[in-house]
Amino acid sequence: DIQMTQSPSSLPASLGERVTISCRASQYISNNLNWYQQKPDGTIKPLIYYTSNLQSGVPSRFSGSGSGTDYSLTISSLEPEDFAMYYCQQDANFPRTFGGGTKLELK
Amino acid sequence: EVQLQQSGPEVGRPGSSVKISCKASGYTFTDYVMNWVKQSPGQGLEWIGWIDPEYGNTDYAEKFKKKATLTADTSSNIAYIQLSSLTSEDTATYFCASGEGFDYWGQGVMVTVSS
Repeated sequence: DIQMTQSPSSLPASLGERVTISCRASQYISNNLNWYQQKPDGTIKPLIYYTSNLQSGVPSRFSGSGSGTDYSLTISSLEPEDFAMYYCQQDANFPRTFGGGTKLELK
Repeated sequence: EVQLQQSGPEVGRPGSSVKISCKASGYTFTDYVMNWVKQSPGQGLEWIGWIDPEYGNTDYAEKFKKKATLTADTSSNIAYIQLSSLTSEDTATYFCASGEGFDYWGQGVMVTVSS
């Protein structure tokens, strides 16, 4: 199985700040990397697919990049609704695997 | 509008089974696979497996092959997951998510295993 390692696990940040979350795969995943947001009420929303493509309706302050085994999610200027959990996921191989999550919290 | 409406919370006794549902609307049910994902309390996300509703084909993560059974009823656009031989390790929230890209998610169902 491909292991996905996210860092940091917790990220205190302020409104308006630019933040980056990292995700490393245990093997090459050829840009088959997705990002999801989970709100405190448990709702899960897809954000980005295939490394850098925004899902419909996702604000442009979100962006994704990376290649090979290293990927990242950047939020350019934090809004109140962005404080949530973020998960990366690979769909290069089965079983699909997720990173352990990053909790973005208000500093 | 695509919606995945999951059934309500379940309580199961150790050793028993539970079956939870995920009703799809707003798209052609047979056009997309349905994934199931487990989230244990305070933990991350685990892929259980998926089903192709059109053909009934399934694929499971190794650790869930003896635990979960995925089915789909194309007449009512409902996907199901049955969890068998329940133990405390099965206490979790279970999500359905449609498409190979997990494009739409249900609200999740809390399953509690308790005697």
